[in-house]
Amino acid sequence: GESVGLHLPTLSVQEGDNSIINCAYSNSASDYFIWYKQESGKGPQFIIDIRSNMDKRQGQRVTVLLNKTVKHLSLQIAATQPGDSAVYFCAETPDTGRRALTFGSGTRLQVQP
Amino acid sequence: GAGVSQSPSNKVTEKGKDVELRCDPISGHTALYWYRQSLGQGLEFLIYFQGNSAPDKSGLPSDRFSAERTGGSVSTLTIQRTQQEDSAVYLCASRPPGQPNEKLFFGSGTQLSVL
Repeated sequence: GESVGLHLPTLSVQEGDNSIINCAYSNSASDYFIWYKQESGKGPQFIIDIRSNMDKRQGQRVTVLLNKTVKHLSLQIAATQPGDSAVYFCAETPDTGRRALTFGSGTRLQVQP
Repeated sequence: GAGVSQSPSNKVTEKGKDVELRCDPISGHTALYWYRQSLGQGLEFLIYFQGNSAPDKSGLPSDRFSAERTGGSVSTLTIQRTQQEDSAVYLCASRPPGQPNEKLFFGSGTQLSVL
């Protein structure tokens, strides 16, 4: 398959370290946020979501933090593994009733063994 | 289990030709989306089908783009008179009934290259 982008911001981490991927959004009306992971040659895969009435949500090895004051979203991955290497996208919508998410341009995570 | 299937996985065409891209959603999924992903970019919404409702075509970039969904299952995205700027990965996603609009299941995409 094809890589999804050759000029993406890249975060390089050592295996076992924690990773933090950041995302800024501009729409103050955004109500729902979601992180997707996209491995090379594959479609995006849902990781975790959060609503605007929360500031933190935890999943398995992943945590999403939301700071509505500065319109900032982050994805934290604990004990990063080689299988975490992928492009990560944040996406948002002002209304979960809307049909279309607005996606960010993505961050490439490279895990060094 | 079977996921969202897209074909072809790669398509090379000449400028001015028409192309058809196919999407087979997961069985039982009532909602189907098409997105476009250009190199180094995020996903751009194109069109959305939900059951028998009229599709949301608000993301289609021009009238050269159209899509159909037959029998509430398979969908075809057609691009007429292709241009070089149409080169991108075209992603299809589906969603089961009752799930939030955002938890989509994506296919692996069709890489379209217009020469």
